[in-house]
Amino acid sequence: QQPVQSPQAVILREGEDAVINCSSSKALYSVHWYRQKHGEAPVFLMILLKGGEQKGHDKISASFNEKKQQSSLYLTASQLSYSGTYFCGTEDGGTYKYIFGTGTRLKVLA
Amino acid sequence: IAGITQAPTSQILAAGRRMTLRCTQDMRHNAMYWYRQDLGLGLRLIHYSNTAGTTGKGEVPDGYSVSRANTDDFPLTLASAVPSQTSVYFCASSAEVSGNEQFFGPGTRLTVL
Repeated sequence: QQPVQSPQAVILREGEDAVINCSSSKALYSVHWYRQKHGEAPVFLMILLKGGEQKGHDKISASFNEKKQQSSLYLTASQLSYSGTYFCGTEDGGTYKYIFGTGTRLKVLA
Repeated sequence: IAGITQAPTSQILAAGRRMTLRCTQDMRHNAMYWYRQDLGLGLRLIHYSNTAGTTGKGEVPDGYSVSRANTDDFPLTLASAVPSQTSVYFCASSAEVSGNEQFFGPGTRLTVL
């Protein structure tokens, strides 16, 4: 029941774009996105709620397809600071239980 | 204190020993969570609390217990540690339990020998 993220890893050059996908087998109330750098705690990027409301980062965008139970994170004009592991977290409506995907490792090269 | 703190930073523990990981937040958040992170498995929810006085089981609760006596503190106890509980443990909090961003503590690296 863990959300499936794709790709598992990606390498970019500075300025390139990337898309990270998160797919769940269950109906979702919300999808969260976090970035974690090595040895540090996850940091919030974006939350997408059922019904279309979004809260989050000015420089990162995301989409949430409720019917397909999928979310995508769009990183445009990537910077070196974007390197890290990206996790999606999904919330089952009404259960208060968050389940995170296995992560996508992203490396941005100069 | 600013945000969410955890103690200890790291710990090596003999199997069978009891251990309490501490978590404190000063943001007056209602909801708090404990996760463990293992290589290749991402973050897995152990226990959560909607508000002071209430707790619930997450994805992997066996071998762990929690309490929420007040808003700020959410300790996690391993009654009798086993090597499979070797992991990095993160505490997190959010304003409300649903539909809100989570703020994570710095983590506790626990090794059970």
